[in-house]
Amino acid sequence: KAGVTQTPRYLIKTRGQQVTLSCSPISGHRSVSWYQQTPGQGLQFLFEYFSETQRNKGNFPGRFSGRQFSNSRSEMNVSTLELGDSALYLCASSLTADGYTFGSGTRLTVV
Amino acid sequence: EDQVTQSPEALRLQEGESSSLNCSYTVSGLRGLFWYRQDPGKGPEFLFTLYSAGEEKEKERLKATLTKKESFLHITAPKPEDSATYLCAVFYYGGSQGNLIFGKGTKLSVKP
Repeated sequence: KAGVTQTPRYLIKTRGQQVTLSCSPISGHRSVSWYQQTPGQGLQFLFEYFSETQRNKGNFPGRFSGRQFSNSRSEMNVSTLELGDSALYLCASSLTADGYTFGSGTRLTVV
Repeated sequence: EDQVTQSPEALRLQEGESSSLNCSYTVSGLRGLFWYRQDPGKGPEFLFTLYSAGEEKEKERLKATLTKKESFLHITAPKPEDSATYLCAVFYYGGSQGNLIFGKGTKLSVKP
């Protein structure tokens, strides 16, 4: 059974650019959540999608956005990148409310 | 404010030296509590879900317990391969921080 797949694994971008990250959930999982992980702040919730609708959103600026497709795959986009956006971005999928499986993450470095 | 606090931030043990990690939370309407293990550069790996006070779950050298305000992850006779960051997350509906609020983790190092 394939797990949660995130691509790319590593990314280096320049300040001011934009970036798109992808997440393919476990087959049959309709809920996808995104988190930002930094050494100082830990895991912070970005947003959650369920059946192509954003169900919840964390306290991040509007530069962070996401979407979910009909096959449950999800993308998140960060525009006008800042140095502080450097982090590990994690995606988690779930079938029921009590089981969240994480991908390996995308390591984004902004220079 | 809903929050999750883990202690200690870092823990160094000798192989075979048992200890406990703590996760305290202030959340209204708790639906469950998760423990995850995270290795460097990887995503969190699920360990346990606990739902009610008094519940206990075990897996190999790990045992998780839950009270009304905190959870403990007990590590018995740890081995070097248990070295990782252990994350606690509380699960509830309707919060502005999403369904899961994570603590900042306890980094465990086990020396041979």
